[in-house]
Amino acid sequence: EVQLVESGGGLVKPGGSLRLSCAASGINFNSAWMVWVRQAPGKWLEWVGRIKSRASGETTDYVAPVRDRFTISRDDSRNMVYLQMNSLKTEDTAIYFCTTGYIDRSAKTYHGDDAFDLWGQGTMVTVSS
Amino acid sequence: QSALTQPPSASGSPGQSVTISCSGTSRDVGGYNYVSWYQQHPGRAPKLIIYEVIKRPSGVPDRFSGSKSGNTASLTVSGLQAEDEADYYCSSYAGSDILVFGGGTKITVL
Repeated sequence: EVQLVESGGGLVKPGGSLRLSCAASGINFNSAWMVWVRQAPGKWLEWVGRIKSRASGETTDYVAPVRDRFTISRDDSRNMVYLQMNSLKTEDTAIYFCTTGYIDRSAKTYHGDDAFDLWGQGTMVTVSS
Repeated sequence: QSALTQPPSASGSPGQSVTISCSGTSRDVGGYNYVSWYQQHPGRAPKLIIYEVIKRPSGVPDRFSGSKSGNTASLTVSGLQAEDEADYYCSSYAGSDILVFGGGTKITVL
């Protein structure tokens, strides 16, 4: 079955750390660029960051508010992607979704940075004292 | 404050059309043809309905269409159906390997 399943969310105090996991199945994970998107309660979607495939250098990029605190990594042997979150702030409270780029088979293009068609169900992270 | 500006709400009766806008700048919407639209029902993950401004993934009805003029992109939903009631988000590539989203628009089917 083609799916992404996130885990690892929970309640953490400000300044604490948490590691989210995303398990992929049914996709060619080795070539997939994996993305984390978050959504604060009642708010809009926010692109958090992305890790490219090994063939593309496993390059990571992040949105400015998390750039020095969050780290995305991947384990291709396990079809897993991770989001390590340190120095958490109350404004990091959100549902965190794992997603991946859309493959346009007719145009033979990969939209790793601009369009995402496979999403997990999300995992809730609450940062509160 | 979201990076892209969308109206908070829009509505239409079944069978009618509704168009929502997504305003950005020359550094995002106006600078690239990489605008996408997502539909999100309550408690669900987003679903990709438009990419590269005007293209639809397979399986998305042709009632959904996208366009762009300058720094503003638009999504039109024609022949509104009850199941179209949802939140809709635009996104745009913003250069330097960064993606930005809009604040979302809730479409209500009257």
